[in-house]
Amino acid sequence: GAGVSQSPRYKVTKRGQDVTLRCDPISSHATLYWYQQALGQGPEFLTYFNYEAQPDKSGLPSDRFSAERPEGSISTLTIQRTEQRDSAMYRCASGTGEGNTIYFGEGSWLTVV
Amino acid sequence: SQQGEEDPQALSIQEGENATMNCSYKTSINNLQWYRQNSGRGLVHLILIRSNEREKHSGRLRVTLDTSKKSSSLLITASRAADTASYFCAGGGFKTIFGAGTRLFVKA
Repeated sequence: GAGVSQSPRYKVTKRGQDVTLRCDPISSHATLYWYQQALGQGPEFLTYFNYEAQPDKSGLPSDRFSAERPEGSISTLTIQRTEQRDSAMYRCASGTGEGNTIYFGEGSWLTVV
Repeated sequence: SQQGEEDPQALSIQEGENATMNCSYKTSINNLQWYRQNSGRGLVHLILIRSNEREKHSGRLRVTLDTSKKSSSLLITASRAADTASYFCAGGGFKTIFGAGTRLFVKA
């Protein structure tokens, strides 16, 4: 697509529920990133993919967080057994390779109540 | 865990003045990027400077990079009220890490 698209834009869920966020990157981009951003803070790196490979998931806060990109295009970020501290903006971005410009989607606001 | 640390954390200036924001980073980088974010909305890429470059210009933006000091600066000249936003530096390789940002407020 023309830009990075994320869905849903807003999600309210009850504590303990599982949530899946979706990212559709720019179609020519090999690299896809997930970031978490709390209010007033900078984006915190969660993980990235190079096509379908996931070389680095060191930023995932716990094993409740997982991400997939099975066909090297669309990616999902799943949070299991959500907790209130998971409430944040989750941003997806894509780029053409190491150290190149990355382009962000509008993000998915997650609120856990 | 953030790569960059911006300085100052907040900056308030009058329209027409120049704004300078600084960023220091921790590890080796391939390049350094600056982004703008308006009121919690999307992150917009402003400029990328590669590790072998020392200075780069784009319109009213001027970025410098000093790899020996692991620091970069972003200068916005002749600021406008519309420049009011948070500005983030980001660096690294595949793992691009962002700083905490500088909040710039430009008063009309």
